[in-house]
Amino acid sequence: DADVTQTPRNRITKTGKRIMLECSQTKGHDRMYWYRQDPGLGLRLIYYSFDVKDINKGEISDGYSVSRQAQAKFSLSLESAIPNQTALYFCATSDPGTGLTGELFFGEGSRLTVL
Amino acid sequence: AQSVAQPEDQVNVAEGNPLTVKCTYSVSGNPYLFWYVQYPNRGLQFLLKYITGDNLVKGSYGFEAEFNKSQTSFHLKKPSALVSDSALYFCAVRDGPSSASKIIFGSGTRLSIRP
Repeated sequence: DADVTQTPRNRITKTGKRIMLECSQTKGHDRMYWYRQDPGLGLRLIYYSFDVKDINKGEISDGYSVSRQAQAKFSLSLESAIPNQTALYFCATSDPGTGLTGELFFGEGSRLTVL
Repeated sequence: AQSVAQPEDQVNVAEGNPLTVKCTYSVSGNPYLFWYVQYPNRGLQFLLKYITGDNLVKGSYGFEAEFNKSQTSFHLKKPSALVSDSALYFCAVRDGPSSASKIIFGSGTRLSIRP
């Protein structure tokens, strides 16, 4: 089983609909992240959380919200989806014990299409 | 602000030839640099990192990266390319000196190895 699991893997929805992408991890990491990938733009950080009570905006948080339900779960919501939110979304985790040297562990991605 | 740039959208190499994927960085203070790889329909995987020490860093799958402070570069290299190396490669940097810093990604370079 994957250490970082994202659901759904693919989703097609319509403009204005509410969408939730879920992420769960078995790595025991405190830190979790949501990134968005667009061709030619690399990965951009949407939100991140360093523990259950800590939520921070990334560089492109407008139109998104998150919930950290438990150490292992971090959900991303689009309250009213719009077509330019069509993208590949990644959840990632990291271990704060490794400080600045630690790397990110990624899920397999959730492909969202907004019509 | 800390950033990385990947000047090439695509790199094409014949199997068996050496490959280089370029990355330049802009940081204040000590750079913490990373390379990640993304295979089709998969999440990103950590390849290697530079924190301090030797300028030549060895990583997974036979890849290595050369840190050059005077040229502010961190190019990814492999002496002999394999078709299976074909993937999307991302250079990344920590965006600050504290343990609360985040990883910022470049725009990615698609590596294509022809048989």
